[in-house]
Amino acid sequence: QSALTQPASVSGSPGQSITISCTGTSSDVGGYDYVSWYQQHPGKAPKLMIFDVSNRPSGVSNRFSGSKSGNTASLTISGLQTEDEADYYCSSYTSTPTLKLFGGGTKLTVL
Amino acid sequence: EVQLLESGGDLVQPGGSLRLSCVASGFTFSSYAMSWVRQAPGKGLEWVSAIGSSGESTDHADPVKGRFTISRDNSKNTLYLRMNSLKADDTAVYYCARVHPGRGWYIYYGLDVWGQGTTVTVSS
Repeated sequence: QSALTQPASVSGSPGQSITISCTGTSSDVGGYDYVSWYQQHPGKAPKLMIFDVSNRPSGVSNRFSGSKSGNTASLTISGLQTEDEADYYCSSYTSTPTLKLFGGGTKLTVL
Repeated sequence: EVQLLESGGDLVQPGGSLRLSCVASGFTFSSYAMSWVRQAPGKGLEWVSAIGSSGESTDHADPVKGRFTISRDNSKNTLYLRMNSLKADDTAVYYCARVHPGRGWYIYYGLDVWGQGTTVTVSS
């Protein structure tokens, strides 16, 4: 099964807000509230930012928020900071034999 | 401090085998499901395998099914990934990760603690 669809890149200026989309199908994003978002800086391990569509783990800034509408999940980062510049990946459970999908990743540039 | 430390990555020839290990510390390892995720050079993340907290239940992604085996030793706080019949496409950084707790099947949930990764290169 193909990966979830994310834009290859997004950009924003410090202080602005951006949204990264993650489009799947009714077998994954649209059918279940099991979407997670990860942040990965170059050469580093991923970090969980959002789980179960809209929940933040302890220690993650409230500038990060998640939502879902239909087959598309979204990650919104408000008050952009330079340290937010990283790759972001969505992930979802899928009812197909693939079981768990990741998106192709989105490179966030903070101009 | 909650920590995962992988080891075992190496350069191996196509068709060869390798066993990765991941030692956990700072949390009750036996209470958590665990997972392996890989990342090919310059590419995105790919889920590989997952295992329940007791080790009785395991799941593998289709590309590795029948070749890779996930296991754990809760007495040693260690997660393993046995990889056989390795292919060039298996070349990647392999991360071990802890599954965020939930009431349902461990496959559903996000991965809340990650190791630093270990590199597997399959090449002749």
